[in-house]
Amino acid sequence: EAQVTQNPRYLITVTGKKLTVTCSQNMNHEYMSWYRQDPGLGLRQIYYSMNVEVTDKGDVPEGYKVSRKEKRNFPLILESPSPNQTSLYFCASSLRPQIYGYTFGSGTRLTVV
Amino acid sequence: AQSVSQHNHHVILSEAASLELGCNYSYGGTVNLFWYVQYPGQHLQLLLKYFSGDPLVKGIKGFEAEFIKSKFSFNLRKPSVQWSDTAEYFCAVTTGGGNKLTFGTGTQLKVEL
Repeated sequence: EAQVTQNPRYLITVTGKKLTVTCSQNMNHEYMSWYRQDPGLGLRQIYYSMNVEVTDKGDVPEGYKVSRKEKRNFPLILESPSPNQTSLYFCASSLRPQIYGYTFGSGTRLTVV
Repeated sequence: AQSVSQHNHHVILSEAASLELGCNYSYGGTVNLFWYVQYPGQHLQLLLKYFSGDPLVKGIKGFEAEFIKSKFSFNLRKPSVQWSDTAEYFCAVTTGGGNKLTFGTGTQLKVEL
C-alpha cells in the first residue's frame, strides 16, 4: 500500500531533550515536506526537500533540522525542544506538489513539557 | 508571498443543507489549487484539485469547487451534506509553477443530524 509512515504517533518529552520524528514513504517521491498544525493557524511548512541531499527552509524552520540521505526517508530533528514546539506534525511526500499536491502521513502529536 | 484566506472558521449545518466554503488566494499569476479534508483524528486527504482547464472541478464524496480567476477564489461546494462530512477543510495553493504548497487556516464543519 502506498503510504507515508511517521513514528511515533504520540510523544511527550521534556524541554531540551533531543528527539527525532521519523518519516518514510514507499512511493519513490522526489518531494518530501514537514508541516506543523496548530489551532487557528492551519498547516505551516517547516522544511521541505526536492531530492536526496537537497533541503530548504519553509515558513517556520526555527528550532528544527532535517536531513535527506535517502530518497524514502526524511526525519525531523528537534535538537532542543521547547514548549512552543508542542504541536501536531505531519510528514508529506509528492512526485510533484504543484500537480499532485502532497500525500500526508498520519501525524505525530508532540507535547513538550 | 503567496497566501490563502479561509474566512469561515466554523460552520454548522443540518444534514441535507447545501455547503459553500470560501477560499481566496493572493497571487496574480498562475496558480494550482487544492482542497483537503481532515476527519477527526486523521491525516489530510485530497478532496479535489485544479490544475488547468475547466474551472469547475469535481472531487470525491460529491464535492466540487469552482476556480474564479477574477475573484481570486476557489470555493468548495456540496449540494447536500451528510453527518459524515463533519471535518476540517483546508484550501491550499501553489503559485507561479513552483512546488511550495501553502495552506489556509482551515474551516471546521459540523453537520448536525
